[in-house]
Amino acid sequence: SAVISQKPSRDICQRGTSLTIQCQVDSQVTMMFWYRQQPGQSLTLIATANQGSEATYESGFVIDKFPISRPNLTFSTLTVSNMSPEDSSIYLCSGQVDTEAFFGQGTRLTVV
Amino acid sequence: GQSLEQPSEVTAVEGAIVQINCTYQTSGFYGLSWYQQHDGGAPTFLSYNGLDGLEETGRFSSFLSRSDSYGYLLLQELQMKDSASYFCAVPYSNAGNNRKLIWGLGTSLAVNP
Repeated sequence: SAVISQKPSRDICQRGTSLTIQCQVDSQVTMMFWYRQQPGQSLTLIATANQGSEATYESGFVIDKFPISRPNLTFSTLTVSNMSPEDSSIYLCSGQVDTEAFFGQGTRLTVV
Repeated sequence: GQSLEQPSEVTAVEGAIVQINCTYQTSGFYGLSWYQQHDGGAPTFLSYNGLDGLEETGRFSSFLSRSDSYGYLLLQELQMKDSASYFCAVPYSNAGNNRKLIWGLGTSLAVNP
C-alpha cells in the first residue's frame, strides 16, 4: 500500500486564524479524502478531494470553511478557516485504491 | 440511508479468541472492510470481504454473509498489542462519485493479561 506523509502532526492555533494541512502520497491514487475524528469516536468524512476540480463536500461541511485543493494525483491540502474551539479535532487525509484506504498520521489541532 | 452497527466495547484476555460483529444496511453493497486503529495512531487496513465466506490473514480472519448483511472480524491468540479500536466499513458509491467509505462507530477492544 502507499505511504502518506501528512503535516503538521499537531498545532495549537488562535481562534479566527486558518491552518493548512498537507498530504503527500508516495504513489498516484485515484481517490483522496479528508476526515475529522474526535478522540474515541469514528471517522467523519469531510470531503472527497477531486484532482483538478472542486472537492465534493459531505453534508454539514462547506467549501468556505474547509477549502481543499488537489492539484495532482499525489498531493492535497485542507485548510481549516476562521477557526473556533469547535474545530479542535484530529484531521486525517486518506488515499484509496479501489476499496482499500490508507491514512496519513493525522493532524491534531487545538484551537484556543 | 447507510448504517453499520458494531459493539462499542469488547474485553478479552491474552491468548483468547474474540469476535467483533458488524451488521450493515446499505444500498449498492460492494463488500465489507475492517480497520484497526491504536490510540494516537491512524487507521490501518486489515481485511476486505467482497464475497461470502471467510478470509484468513495470520491471526485475523474476517467473514461475510451478504444474505444476512452481516460480517465479523475474528482475532485469535490475542496479544496485548491487539488492544485497539476496530472499525468495519463499506464502500459506497452515489451517482457520479467515487467509492467513499461508510464507517461503523468502532469497537474498542481491551486485551487484559
